[in-house]
Amino acid sequence: EADIYQTPRYLVIGTGKKITLECSQTMGHDKMYWYQQDPGMELHLIHYSYGVNSTEKGDLSSESTVSRIRTEHFPLTLESARPSHTSQYLCASSEFGWHQPQHFGDGTRLSIL
Amino acid sequence: ILNVEQSPQSLHVQEGDSTNFTCSFPSSNFYALHWYRWETAKSPEALFVMTLNGDEKKKGRISATLNTKEGYSYLYIKGSQPEDSATYLCAFSGTSYGKLTFGQGTILTVHP
Repeated sequence: EADIYQTPRYLVIGTGKKITLECSQTMGHDKMYWYQQDPGMELHLIHYSYGVNSTEKGDLSSESTVSRIRTEHFPLTLESARPSHTSQYLCASSEFGWHQPQHFGDGTRLSIL
Repeated sequence: ILNVEQSPQSLHVQEGDSTNFTCSFPSSNFYALHWYRWETAKSPEALFVMTLNGDEKKKGRISATLNTKEGYSYLYIKGSQPEDSATYLCAFSGTSYGKLTFGQGTILTVHP
């Protein structure tokens, strides 16, 4: 069973607040990912990391930022939340190698009022 | 932007029926094709990662085939059970970096 944890599970917050979504994994995976999913739509990659101090933007443009100071931790931050950021955010990790499956967290459902 | 299409969008079957879904993906720059099962209120769970043309994978009553030359993969479920109800996602990897492009998914509902 995958050991990847996301907090909070649900967040309802007002416009303009700074938000950090937490993601941690205990599998020692080098690669980590953030996906965004709007209702009825595909998962879209917004950020990924190949290891400590490595972060890259994904295929979908996002106003969020990420950091990777420790292997196990990959937080996502929104400096000033807006209603357009309302979505589900999923974190995943995988071993190095293009043929490795990704292990997902339970997701954070974010609602900006 | 890569195009990964899944069909049908949703499917309702009776317990015991066998069913299959399709995933279409670009036939160039192929590295891997992933299948995931996503049950409500849970996290997506990897079913298969397929890398070679002609690959066939099996896990219990679920199996998958891969045709990279024409850009499609089929997922089969034999003797569907209510616990198979979930969204089935396919994802294409066109690079060696492991980045995935997901389809919209097929929502399967198995009625007792």
